[in-house]
Amino acid sequence: DSGVTQTPKHLITATGQRVTLRCSPRSGDLSVYWYQQSLDQGLQFLIQYYNGEERAKGNILERFSAQQFPDLHSELNLSSLELGDSALYFCASSPQDRGISTFGSGTRLTVV
Amino acid sequence: DQQVKQNSPSLSVQEGRISILNCDYTNSMFDYFLWYKKYPAEGPTFLISISSIKDKNEDGRFTVFLNKSAKHLSLHIVPSQPGDSAVYFCAARGGGTSYGKLTFGQGTILTVHP
Repeated sequence: DSGVTQTPKHLITATGQRVTLRCSPRSGDLSVYWYQQSLDQGLQFLIQYYNGEERAKGNILERFSAQQFPDLHSELNLSSLELGDSALYFCASSPQDRGISTFGSGTRLTVV
Repeated sequence: DQQVKQNSPSLSVQEGRISILNCDYTNSMFDYFLWYKKYPAEGPTFLISISSIKDKNEDGRFTVFLNKSAKHLSLHIVPSQPGDSAVYFCAARGGGTSYGKLTFGQGTILTVHP
């Protein structure tokens, strides 16, 4: 157990739908990162939050959004889902706005 | 534009021998490099890292070497054990305003045979 909790572990949904992925960082960590791993791809950085504020942004689609709440948990919202959004979504956390990231076990999203 | 590349999709090694995993990068702004190990159905686990001001970092059986002029790093595992069989990702962190963002390579599947 890395201390980073992601729910749900698996999610199957239809095209056009909207889903929310949730992440609880390790106790004491202020930064949360979201990554997407598609089939045969490395992990692609989506977005980083630090203590409730957006810190860095990657190639995140406009259909995707995220936020970090006062209790430091984070949610990644994916809307108007397409088949190509099927992937593993990982959340990671670190103590400050940089440093060694600890990853959760991921949410596997399947869009049918 | 793939800034971090792991050109070997897979590597097979005999138990007890050395495993060498390679990684190349193109962005000279990267100031910190990390290796993560990933088992199926789990998230990546941090293994070892190296700052751009160093050329070697060692932790037990794991050593990372950095050649800045060649923009190349490698992970050496000696001796290799069957439990080391996993996917290994090289990652790089940029300086400046990229904060904690990591850029990952595609990964190398390491198989250690008993």
